[in-house]
Amino acid sequence: DAKTTQPPSMDCAEGRAANLPCNHSTISGNEYVYWYRQIHSQGPQYIIHGLKNNETNEMASLIITEDRKSSTLILPHATLRDTAVYYCIVRVDSSASKIIFGSGTRLSIRP
Amino acid sequence: DGGITQSPKYLFRKEGQNVTLSCEQNLNHDAMYWYRQDPGQGLRLIYYSQIVNDFQKGDIAEGYSVSREKKESFPLTVTSAQKNPTAFYLCASSMVGRGTGELFFGEGSRLTVL
Repeated sequence: DAKTTQPPSMDCAEGRAANLPCNHSTISGNEYVYWYRQIHSQGPQYIIHGLKNNETNEMASLIITEDRKSSTLILPHATLRDTAVYYCIVRVDSSASKIIFGSGTRLSIRP
Repeated sequence: DGGITQSPKYLFRKEGQNVTLSCEQNLNHDAMYWYRQDPGQGLRLIYYSQIVNDFQKGDIAEGYSVSREKKESFPLTVTSAQKNPTAFYLCASSMVGRGTGELFFGEGSRLTVL
């Protein structure tokens, strides 16, 4: 079973911030939080990852709660091209482990 | 350019036939993975490998086999024992080490059993 839970779908107006939540209440101290997105019929694309500090890159921001039991991916100015399924996973990086994807959140951007 | 290549992109097979999907990476990654995706569903892990000549079963390994004879290559064979093989198959690779575990995915292979 996946170690993360996400809402099955969300929508957001174009130009607004999209905030995608993820619960990972059983996360271990050495597990990172990773976010990917998958546009229809393509391989998933890496977005961002973090351990306990908030992170930002050119694509998105990642906010991890202090207890690390949940996180939020923020797309600051959503565009129609951000329509995709977004996956939150947790994994240990020190070895090749069973990386389990849940069902993700299907994000729809409305014009 | 560095990347991960899957072939073929589309494949048709008759029931009872084995088929092998190719996955090659030139990223010098140690770890490689195979996932299966059914329509409207998430990714399910079939097999993964951390090092040459070693691999581990994922959650849905029955009816599949893999080999890891070279670091760059991780082919997946869908055998006739797999009862419902029609699906989208994704291969991925990653480095192993703290904070470097980003997965790089191929473009996928879509298998249809006729």
